[in-house]
Amino acid sequence: DIQMTQSPSFLSASVGERVTLSCKASQNINKYLDWYQQKLGEAPKLLIYNTNNLHTGIPSRFSGSGSGTDYTLTISSLQPEDVATYFCLQRNSWPRTFGAGTKLELK
Amino acid sequence: EVQLVESGGGLVKPGASLKLSCVASGFTFSDYWMSWVRQTPGKTMEWIGDIKYDGSYTNYAPSLKNRFTISRDNAKSTLYLQMSNVRSEDTATYYCTQLRRVLGFAYWGQGTLVTVSS
Repeated sequence: DIQMTQSPSFLSASVGERVTLSCKASQNINKYLDWYQQKLGEAPKLLIYNTNNLHTGIPSRFSGSGSGTDYTLTISSLQPEDVATYFCLQRNSWPRTFGAGTKLELK
Repeated sequence: EVQLVESGGGLVKPGASLKLSCVASGFTFSDYWMSWVRQTPGKTMEWIGDIKYDGSYTNYAPSLKNRFTISRDNAKSTLYLQMSNVRSEDTATYYCTQLRRVLGFAYWGQGTLVTVSS
């Protein structure tokens, strides 16, 4: 199975700050990497698919990049409503595997 | 608007069986692959499996393949997850998702909590 390692596990940042979350795969996943946002008490929501494609309705302050084994989710200017846990998911091969998540809070 | 509503969760004893349902609306159910994903109390996410739009093909996480079965009834726009011989480690919130070839797990239900305890 492909292991997905997210870092950091926890991040505290200020409103307006640029935030970068990392996801590293144990082998090449050919950009089949998605990002999900889960707010407290809610279901996960798709943010970005295939590394850098914004899902419908997702604000443009979110962006994704990466290739091979290393991927990044960037929030260009953190907003209060971005407080959530962010998960990455690889869909390059079965079984599909998730990262453990990064919990993002406001400083 | 895509809506997915899971049900069937609850408290169940180890070794028992349980069947979860997910009723879909807001899209043509029979056109889409569907999936189940679970999240443990510690927030670990685990993919359970997928089912093809016509129910003719399923794919499972190897660790769950022998105990979990995914099925669907397109006439009722309903997805199912049959769980057998449940264990304490199956305690989780179970989500059904609409699976799209390009988008992946595009839409999720609100989840149903399964607690396995004696």
